[in-house]
Amino acid sequence: SQTIHQWPATLVQPVGSPLSLECTVEGTSNPNLYWYRQAAGRGLQLLFYSVGIGQISSEVPQNLSASRPQDRQFILSSKKLLLSDSGFYLCAWSPNRDSMVLFGEGSRLTVL
Amino acid sequence: TQLLEQSPQFLSIQEGENLTVYCNSSSVFSSLQWYRQEPGEGPVLLVTVVTGGEVKKLKRLTFQFGDARKDSSLHITAAQPGDTGLYLCVGEAGANNLFFGTGTRLTVIP
Repeated sequence: SQTIHQWPATLVQPVGSPLSLECTVEGTSNPNLYWYRQAAGRGLQLLFYSVGIGQISSEVPQNLSASRPQDRQFILSSKKLLLSDSGFYLCAWSPNRDSMVLFGEGSRLTVL
Repeated sequence: TQLLEQSPQFLSIQEGENLTVYCNSSSVFSSLQWYRQEPGEGPVLLVTVVTGGEVKKLKRLTFQFGDARKDSSLHITAAQPGDTGLYLCVGEAGANNLFFGTGTRLTVIP
């Protein structure tokens, strides 16, 4: 069966520090991968999606970047965190573009 | 992330019929959101409810938040093929603490 893991689950970082959230999917190959963010009281916002290694599409301009160094690994990064980067970040995957998106457990980021 | 229990998991109905999807939990939520997700796309926010007993209408869709803010329902009147998709409830319990529903896959047959 397929599983998705992301870590860390909780992160508290000072303003200006770097960020790295990692996500891996097991039990499948060449998945579509996504990063979402939900800020408190707001809806899910798609940040990045990837259809293959090294292929990243950004949905919104922001202080964050994403990379896909391996087929089943998706990384969300920032060189310098802002207060507004605080939120709940979700990694997700789908087998192909015609399938539903399945979510990881999420990472809570607090920037102080 | 804990799950909200959604029912039914699958629903196939004829165009013009009415339906209700339920979302239940033992947890109290500060807000609850309903999303619709279509194949190959991310979830699209339909509504956010924040007050116990609140009812919101979006055209043919009616959303209700339970008085105790532990459950919610989505009612669709006169379903159309365009309503086909995965409906997902997401409860928020405190800042950045989300609970995802198990999802209801709706198919409306023309």
